[in-house]
Amino acid sequence: AQKITQTQPGMFVQEKEAVTLDCTYDTSDQSYGLFWYKQPSSGEMIFLIYQGSYDEQNATEGRYSLNFQKARKSANLVISASQLGDSAMYFCAMREGIMTTDSWGKLQFGAGTQVVVTP
Amino acid sequence: EAGVTQFPSHSVIEKGQTVTLRCDPISGHDNLYWYRRVMGKEIKFLLHFVKESKQDESGMPNNRFLAERTGGTYSTLKVQPAELEDSGVYFCASSHIGLRKISYNEQFFGPGTRLTVL
Repeated sequence: AQKITQTQPGMFVQEKEAVTLDCTYDTSDQSYGLFWYKQPSSGEMIFLIYQGSYDEQNATEGRYSLNFQKARKSANLVISASQLGDSAMYFCAMREGIMTTDSWGKLQFGAGTQVVVTP
Repeated sequence: EAGVTQFPSHSVIEKGQTVTLRCDPISGHDNLYWYRRVMGKEIKFLLHFVKESKQDESGMPNNRFLAERTGGTYSTLKVQPAELEDSGVYFCASSHIGLRKISYNEQFFGPGTRLTVL
């Protein structure tokens, strides 16, 4: 079953506007983490922001914020004041479970949302 | 500090041939992960090393794929023999071993190897 769902395959946003990228997840674990990564056309995966399941406040990192609604199992990424350099593929990912050893488990990714920022 | 590096950046081979991908994690990172993205689909987990040991190889698609991490430093992923459906981008990621509490312990990704099987 799909663990991470990103329903928006692509979207256009005008420069300086805000954009919200949707992400819903499915897990029965109480402890999990949610991540957003950006993949520009150059191909590298760039970590943007993290939200832990026990975090009471929504995560923010500069122009990125995460709208975490635990009961709805959603973790939407908000990019404020879009810039041309924000054009990229954006992936939502989840890591499930409590760490029981000194190691960290796999990430499960959504299909991604392609964002194109226009002047 | 150097990031995660992968070699080669691109590889084009014919069906039935063998290809070996290499990943050099960030120095000091004991966790090393392999993922791949087949055209138009999600990025899928392949396997996870902690140092030289395979912690989780549940994502390996079949026995044509062999991953190694001798000495706990760099890792190789060999595909033998390659099939058409193996085409995609193979990512490697690394992270620290974290403390015994929930913290995000981000995975740092390499640029990927684009594999094309003809």
